[in-house]
Amino acid sequence: DTGVSQDPRHKITKRGQNVTFRCDPISEHNRLYWYRQTLGQGPEFLTYFQNEAQLEKSRLLSDRFSAERPKGSFSTLEIQRTEQGDSAMYLCASSFNSLSNSPLHFGNGTRLTVT
Amino acid sequence: DQQVKQNSPSLSVQEGRISILNCDYTNSMFDYFLWYKKYPAEGPTFLISISSIKDKNEDGRFTVFLNKSAKHLSLHIVPSQPGDSAVYFCAASTYNNDMRFGAGTRLTVKP
Repeated sequence: DTGVSQDPRHKITKRGQNVTFRCDPISEHNRLYWYRQTLGQGPEFLTYFQNEAQLEKSRLLSDRFSAERPKGSFSTLEIQRTEQGDSAMYLCASSFNSLSNSPLHFGNGTRLTVT
Repeated sequence: DQQVKQNSPSLSVQEGRISILNCDYTNSMFDYFLWYKKYPAEGPTFLISISSIKDKNEDGRFTVFLNKSAKHLSLHIVPSQPGDSAVYFCAASTYNNDMRFGAGTRLTVKP
């Protein structure tokens, strides 16, 4: 069990630059989630995929944010024209969708710092 | 919209005693509830869950209680150990596994 893998672990960028993060879920999991976590808060839902279909997007996901999961395996989250308010931990999680609920398995996150 | 609330940002208990972490929710559509544990520089790790058809689920030292009428759940850890020191997140989801998290409670277990 290799778990959920996220790359990079840390990213420092200047305001206005674009950044892209990658997430590799647990291989048999068909659902993939992106969350954002800021200091003192719990993970905030951004979006999720079932296979390659993006099923829901949060209001937090402005038009500067885009996520893809082209082949239903790994996913990327891109932030364009970064702002200082985008500084946060970006967490990816995956789960196996079945008739019953199942817990999300999280990666260790990508910490973004926008200077 | 804060659908899941953890009103205690921190809790300190003595080793060997019981730790009780509390969580309240507002969305009556939630039917699956979970607790996650998070260490620094790591992602949250699943700890224990409970379905809305139950009111208690136990796993070793960890027990989760659900009071649907009060929209309240709690996590009991007994006996508490120093290694339990971490941030604990309460989470809830609807049938489609759309999961929402509380802000977390930092538990410190003192030796």
